[in-house]
Amino acid sequence: DVKVTQSSRYLVKRTGEKVFLECVQDMDHENMFWYRQDPGLGLRLIYFSYDVKMKEKGDIPEGYSVSREKKERFSLILESASTNQTSMYLCASSLIGGGTDTQYFGPGTRLTVL
Amino acid sequence: GENVEQHPSTLSVQEGDSAVIKCTYSDSASNYFPWYKQELGKRPQLIIDIRSNVGEKKDQRIAVTLNKTAKHFSLHITETQPEDSAVYFCAAPNSGYALNFGKGTSLLVTP
Repeated sequence: DVKVTQSSRYLVKRTGEKVFLECVQDMDHENMFWYRQDPGLGLRLIYFSYDVKMKEKGDIPEGYSVSREKKERFSLILESASTNQTSMYLCASSLIGGGTDTQYFGPGTRLTVL
Repeated sequence: GENVEQHPSTLSVQEGDSAVIKCTYSDSASNYFPWYKQELGKRPQLIIDIRSNVGEKKDQRIAVTLNKTAKHFSLHITETQPEDSAVYFCAAPNSGYALNFGKGTSLLVTP
């Protein structure tokens, strides 16, 4: 079974703090994704990576950056957290292109920015 | 990127009835259409997908139909059960590497 894990289930941070969300997958998947999920807005793609050190912007990259130094790990970084970044963050991975293959999701991190 | 519209946003059915959720997409080159189910407090999981070379696919009580001409695809759940209650998301490719998801349909199956 594919296992995608995220470093925290719940996180509370202050405005202006730098926040790191970590995601690890154990199935040697090439592709990894970060989404945010808000009520009524569905899953919106922030960034994705199709290889180590490669990254592509999704639909809502503003205020976020990512890092993929190792194949199994994909980090989402909020350089200076703001209250409008309070959300559920979901990581996912897929073996081949995420636009043509099953994406496996992590359990999510619910981030609250005060 | 690909624009995916999903309707309805909420759906309530009685146990045993059928439920249908519809999605439309804009890119005629799209060739892969998955459906994900997210139970309350859980992660989204793929339940069924269809590729553009077929018009329908079934897996027990769930089926997906695809109309490439009209650029829409639908999820059909028959003989609904309370455990079908969840949020369902459709998706379509926005590139070879990623998906665009619909905004979700919250399905409630009442006993």
